[in-house]
Amino acid sequence: DGGITQSPKYLFRKEGQNVTLSCEQNLNHDAMYWYRQDPGQGLRLIYYSQIVNDFQKGDIAEGYSVSREKKESFPLTVTSAQKNPTAFYLCASSFDRGHANEKLFFGSGTQLSVL
Amino acid sequence: GQQLNQSPQSMFIQEGEDVSMNCTSSSIFNTWLWYKQDPGEGPVLLIALYKAGELTSNGRLTAQFGITRKDSFLNISASIPSDVGIYFCAGQGGTSYGKLTFGQGTILTVHP
Repeated sequence: DGGITQSPKYLFRKEGQNVTLSCEQNLNHDAMYWYRQDPGQGLRLIYYSQIVNDFQKGDIAEGYSVSREKKESFPLTVTSAQKNPTAFYLCASSFDRGHANEKLFFGSGTQLSVL
Repeated sequence: GQQLNQSPQSMFIQEGEDVSMNCTSSSIFNTWLWYKQDPGEGPVLLIALYKAGELTSNGRLTAQFGITRKDSFLNISASIPSDVGIYFCAGQGGTSYGKLTFGQGTILTVHP
C-alpha cells in the first residue's frame, strides 16, 4: 500500500543530544514537509522541500535541520539548539502541480520527549 | 503572518446531534481545507474548497468557503461515535506554496 511512514513512533532525547526522525513516502510525491504540533495549537511548518536536493525554511526552522537526498526520504534532525523539542512531529507529502500541492498526506507522527 | 481562529475549541455532544465549527482569518485565502486527526495519528483530508461561496459535501460532512474568502464552516450531521477526534481547518493564500496555515483545532467528543 502507498503511504507515508514515520519512525520511530516514540523518541526520547537527552540534554545536548541530536536526534533524527525518519520520513519515507512511496506515493511518488514531489514535495515533502515537516510540521510540529503542540497541544492546543495548530500545526506549524518547520521545513519543506519541493524537489530533491532543495529545501526551504518554514515558520519555525530554528534548531532543526533537514536533507532531501532522495525523492522518497526527508529526515528531520532536532538539534541541541532546539530548547523546547517536546512535541508531536508530523511529516507530509504532496504532488507539485495545481491544487494538488495543497492536499497534504500525513504520516502517523513521532512523539518526541525530553528525558 | 497569517493566522486562523478556529472555534469552538472543544465540543461535547450526544450521538445523533449535528455539529458546526468555523474558522476565520484576517487575511484572504484562495483555498480552504478541513482535516480530521484521530488520537496519535496524522490528519486526514476531509474536504477541499477552492472558490468563494463553494459548498461541498462528503457524506455527512458539509463545508463552505465563505463569500469574503476570510472564513469557512464545517458541519457534521447525525454524529456517530467514530466522529471523535480533532478537526483542523487550513488555508492557503497567495503564492505561499504548500505552506498551509492551520487553525488551532476543534476537539470533538461524541457520547453514545
